[in-house]
Amino acid sequence: QSALTQPASVSGSPGQSITISCTGTSSDVGSYNLVSWYQHHPGKAPKLMIYEGSKRPSGVSNRFSGSKSGNTASLTISGLQAEDEADYYCCSFAGSATYVFGTGTEVTVL
Amino acid sequence: QVHLVQSGAEVKRPGASVMVSCEASGYTFISYYMHWVRQAPGQGLEWVGVVNPSDGTRNYAQNFQGRVTMSRDTSTRTVYMELSSLKSDDTAVYYCTLEYSRSSFDYWGQGTLVTVSS
Repeated sequence: QSALTQPASVSGSPGQSITISCTGTSSDVGSYNLVSWYQHHPGKAPKLMIYEGSKRPSGVSNRFSGSKSGNTASLTISGLQAEDEADYYCCSFAGSATYVFGTGTEVTVL
Repeated sequence: QVHLVQSGAEVKRPGASVMVSCEASGYTFISYYMHWVRQAPGQGLEWVGVVNPSDGTRNYAQNFQGRVTMSRDTSTRTVYMELSSLKSDDTAVYYCTLEYSRSSFDYWGQGTLVTVSS
């Protein structure tokens, strides 16, 4: 199972919107509406930001939104803030009780 | 509230085995799957496998088949991951993480650093 493909880095100025893509295949992202997104600050545990493609857990800012088209899922962060600077990972159910993570994207707030 | 507390850091020789534990509290232990995810230095997150605390059934990523064993003890609300035949590239932080919502990892342990070095 190959990792899902994400851009290595994305940057934006405070207040701007950025979008992180997550490209898989018809065996994972394309087959299931079960993509989740995680924010990861170095040295801390990852934090769930989006589940089932577009749902936000309680307590997660509505500046974070998720979507999917075909084999590509996307995470959009609107109104970018300094605290959003972190690594972001997508993850998809891949059938047969297995999961695959994305390669990860470093978000920089300029 | 949900808490996942992992065992402490380990240093192992190549070829050895390591067991990491994850003690859970704050929810019905047998009702939710527990996964293991690792992150090697400078690398991304990697899914290792999953155990069903209700009946002990498990499933592993292909990369770890034959080397990893996941188990649980319902009396102590603890899940275990044992990795054998350790190699230097198994050096990583290993996390237990709870699948509370459908197919997502809602709660995470603090991570356990496993260092494999001769």
